[in-house]
Amino acid sequence: NAGVTQTPKFQVLKTGQSMTLQCAQDMNHEYMSWYRQDPGMGLRLIHYSVGAGITDQGEVPNGYNVSRSTTEDFPLRLLSAAPSQTSVYFCASSPVTTDNEQFFGPGTRLTVL
Amino acid sequence: GQQVMQIPQYQHVQEGEDFTTYCNSSTTLSNIQWYKQRPGGHPVFLIQLVKSGEVKKQKRLTFQFGEAKKNSSLHITATQTTDVGTYFCAARGSARQLTFGSGTQLTVLP
Repeated sequence: NAGVTQTPKFQVLKTGQSMTLQCAQDMNHEYMSWYRQDPGMGLRLIHYSVGAGITDQGEVPNGYNVSRSTTEDFPLRLLSAAPSQTSVYFCASSPVTTDNEQFFGPGTRLTVL
Repeated sequence: GQQVMQIPQYQHVQEGEDFTTYCNSSTTLSNIQWYKQRPGGHPVFLIQLVKSGEVKKQKRLTFQFGEAKKNSSLHITATQTTDVGTYFCAARGSARQLTFGSGTQLTVLP
């Protein structure tokens, strides 16, 4: 099992550009989520999904879109990048809900100029 | 939304000293999880506490969940250089979402 994989590992964008951060898991987990990590602020939930076709907003959803067409994949789209979106982004998955251990991917370090 | 306060933000200890980090919530929690993140790495699950007053141990690590299920602590006995990293609590209230504390960054001086 590869676990949770994320691509790319690093990305530099210019303000206004769009891009998609990829996340995939091979553990057949129903619950997947995206977090951003900023210094001194812990991890903040952007969007989450409890299963294919179902997504919901977290604490900081503005400027981001998600979709869940398959159990395995949960891409995060930045619609029009802003410097405030410079952060490290982590995808996580768990078998059913947040009552289970969250498995994190290695992260994507994004810089928006 | 739910907030989880974690203190201290930073802790420097001499190798062999003990270390404790605390998490506090103003609301009753369903459960609380603890994660460790090594420098440059991703969070890794350590443990989950569910019951009021629960205490769990993993070698030198002791985890506690308060009687009122509003606070939790992680205590490391006799720290080692391998303990370096940031420790996060993550709490679930009535909603499905996990709320992470801001983390405690532990530095262990040899």
